[in-house]
Amino acid sequence: QLQLQESGPGLVKPSETLSLSCTVSGGSISGSSYYWGWIRQPPGKGLEWIGSVYSNGNTHYNPSLKSRVSISVDTSKNHFSLRLTSVTAADTAVYYCARDLLRRLDFWGQGTPVTVSS
Amino acid sequence: EIVMTQSPATLSVSPGERATLSCRASQSVSSKVAWYQQKPGQAPRLLIYGASARATGIPTRFSGSGSGTEFILTISSLQSEDFAVYFCQHYNDWPLMFTFGQGTRLEI
Repeated sequence: QLQLQESGPGLVKPSETLSLSCTVSGGSISGSSYYWGWIRQPPGKGLEWIGSVYSNGNTHYNPSLKSRVSISVDTSKNHFSLRLTSVTAADTAVYYCARDLLRRLDFWGQGTPVTVSS
Repeated sequence: EIVMTQSPATLSVSPGERATLSCRASQSVSSKVAWYQQKPGQAPRLLIYGASARATGIPTRFSGSGSGTEFILTISSLQSEDFAVYFCQHYNDWPLMFTFGQGTRLEI
């Protein structure tokens, strides 16, 4: 069974960079037809897609976050990563990683909460 | 930018009843819509993709319909474990983009 697990700091200071990693187990991140995505959910609110990466490093980002987001993949470690720069309190959220199989998000990590605060 | 609008925000129903959740796209999105269920403290779970195809392991009481701008998620006979928040989601193939609705809370 495919599993995804997010990891990273739970507290980030304003103006700094949020960095998270998603480790994939039970399957290869290099499989064809798969993108790997990041989605976030502010407390008590809805879901926002951040961006996705293919195993060859090709990326797509939400236009509203594009200037601050970078997603990369490391196939040797079977994981992919998110960097979000210049964070503010508005970036406080639960961050999820997920597998994108032909545009359906079929496997999700459990989510990791990130708070932006000094 | 396509906007997905869900209604109602909250739906109160009883176990055993049918629930009908709506999602409207601001412009035609063909059948590029998925539905997710989210329970408190959990990640979303994929229910429906391509507007009407059930994901692996999803009970047959869940069904999706619609195309263009109007989409429906129907739960034919509500079980206690179905009370949750439901999100619709549009996807665009190129450039790749996902847009979620704001959610419908299904409560007793």
